[in-house]
Amino acid sequence: ILNVEQSPQSLHVQEGDSTNFTCSFPSSNFYALHWYRWETAKSPEALFVMTLNGDEKKKGRISATLNTKEGYSYLYIKGSQPEDSATYLCALTYFNKFYFGSGTKLNVKP
Amino acid sequence: EAQVTQNPRYLITVTGKKLTVTCSQNMNHEYMSWYRQDPGLGLRQIYYSMNVEVTDKGDVPEGYKVSRKEKRNFPLILESPSPNQTSLYFCASSLSFASGGNEQFFGPGTRLTVL
Repeated sequence: ILNVEQSPQSLHVQEGDSTNFTCSFPSSNFYALHWYRWETAKSPEALFVMTLNGDEKKKGRISATLNTKEGYSYLYIKGSQPEDSATYLCALTYFNKFYFGSGTKLNVKP
Repeated sequence: EAQVTQNPRYLITVTGKKLTVTCSQNMNHEYMSWYRQDPGLGLRQIYYSMNVEVTDKGDVPEGYKVSRKEKRNFPLILESPSPNQTSLYFCASSLSFASGGNEQFFGPGTRLTVL
């Protein structure tokens, strides 16, 4: 079992604030790192998949980076909006399996 | 529309009464998976399937069975449900495992309560 940790557990920010959170994992012992966005009463949706050290991905105001040597990935949201309120999950893949962290719950206040 | 469907969406049952949660995808995906989500624990993989007739245990397989007789369907079977299987269940699929680099598509979830 791979131990995937996410911090913080929850985050409350004001509309317009930029924010970031962390996914930590045993360095190098995985195939790929995924980020998913999970809105209340909906299903998780994929944001990014990264595999290489130094990978950076961007989708609109959301971006992510991967550091496999030190075992972490950051997710950044620039200028948070109320519609960004969701739980953000990271997951590692290794030997045909997925290992999820417990998520960071983001609440953006108008 | 490309999607993963699950049925039922909500189910309340009693201890020991066998049940099946169906999962179907219309994207010709090879890899399918079942997860349970419990507060504070994140998604935990129950079973996965690399392709038709190829299934294997995830991290929490006890009390569950699966089958993959057709590429599109991956039902989850609880032979004798117990209260500790009360949870939110998600089915997911991806094109293939491919070193874990393919995104997963999730179904809408099934909220199961076992009394």
